[in-house]
Amino acid sequence: GAVVSQHPSWVICKSGTSVKIECRSLDFQATTMFWYRQFPKQSLMLMATSNEGSKATYEQGVEKDKFLINHASLTLSTLTVTSAHPEDSSFYICSARGGRGYTFGSGTRLTVV
Amino acid sequence: SQQGEEDPQALSIQEGENATMNCSYKTSINNLQWYRQNSGRGLVHLILIRSNEREKHSGRLRVTLDTSKKSSSLLITASRAADTASYFCATSWGSNDYKLSFGAGTTVTVRA
Repeated sequence: GAVVSQHPSWVICKSGTSVKIECRSLDFQATTMFWYRQFPKQSLMLMATSNEGSKATYEQGVEKDKFLINHASLTLSTLTVTSAHPEDSSFYICSARGGRGYTFGSGTRLTVV
Repeated sequence: SQQGEEDPQALSIQEGENATMNCSYKTSINNLQWYRQNSGRGLVHLILIRSNEREKHSGRLRVTLDTSKKSSSLLITASRAADTASYFCATSWGSNDYKLSFGAGTTVTVRA
């Protein structure tokens, strides 16, 4: 079946540093990838949509310069949290859309200290 | 916002019992999907029901869709401890049908 690999699964970083999260579709080509943010015991909030080779489309209220998204190939998208602050601590999940619908990564727990 | 509401927020049942959760949404949809999320993990797709369908089954799962009431329900029959998870409905709609809007989720605990 369709598999999406997301890593790291967890990361702790110091305030002010940047963190990169990778999302790879392992056995299919993803026409579109999505990045979500999830706070404890809450739903998933869509942050941005990315298509290979084009700029990401950000949802209202999401800072483009803070959350940099690169979708360099049909199998890889990255989310970089720049100049991270404690309020950026959250669970980030990617999703890839291919021929079989949506497949989600296992998520990344980001803690900024 | 299209984001759906789910109820109950939490559900605790005994193994072997059925679990029912509901999802409501605001505007016309193309389809509705249900996902499961184990604690601290990604989402697993359970079932998709299209706007022209009223009921769908997959193993121990039964999903209904009532477009007149803009609501859907997920029934898990003969629950098992492994069904303990959070369950989310997600809708797609209009020309942005590639985007999913998630409900608030129902946390289900199945007691052994």
